[in-house]
Amino acid sequence: QLQLQESGPGLVKPSETLSLTCAVSGDSISSSTSSWGWIRQPPGKGLEWIGTIYYSGGTYYTPSLKSRVTTSVDTSKNQVSLKVRSVTAADTAVYYCARHVWDVLGFSYYFDLWGQGTLVTVSS
Amino acid sequence: SSELTQDPAVSVALGQTVRITCQGDSLRVYYASWYQQKPGQAPILVIYGKNNRPSGIPDRFSGSNSGNTTSLTIAGTQAEDEADYYCNSRDSSGNHVFGSGTKVTVL
Repeated sequence: QLQLQESGPGLVKPSETLSLTCAVSGDSISSSTSSWGWIRQPPGKGLEWIGTIYYSGGTYYTPSLKSRVTTSVDTSKNQVSLKVRSVTAADTAVYYCARHVWDVLGFSYYFDLWGQGTLVTVSS
Repeated sequence: SSELTQDPAVSVALGQTVRITCQGDSLRVYYASWYQQKPGQAPILVIYGKNNRPSGIPDRFSGSNSGNTTSLTIAGTQAEDEADYYCNSRDSSGNHVFGSGTKVTVL
């Protein structure tokens, strides 16, 4: 059964880079045609899509974060990574990774499996 | 990017039916997906596509679509259905937008 687990520093200083990994177990990323998304949720607020890396390597980011965000896949470690540069307190949130299913012909896109999330606080 | 609009909160009596709506221009082209989130937990997918339920989601959850509006209906609402519900859809620019969420309270 596919499982996702986010990990990374719980505290990041302002202006530094937030780096998170999402370990995928139960399936090999290299043999998969899955896409992987990152979503965040500031404390007490709603969900925000950050970006998605397609299995072919293509990346898609929300416009408000596009200049500061990078996602990548490491097939040797079977994990997906997220980097957010020049963070501020506004980047404080629970960060989730999720498998992003693209049913293009069906005009349907959805996140069917989620990690438990990891809280990242930006503070000096 | 396109926005998806949801009512902030709705209440429903135990055992009754509640419908949660999500409006946005992108919904005229793309199906939305719906997520249930309970306090302190990760969201879980409850409806996707035209009206599909993942394995393990009770059949009291259903989805429907009309024009720029998509709806999630919970029939025979149970106490454990009390949660926040979010819609999500792709827009024409390739962004995947979440609605602001609807808090469902079961009375």
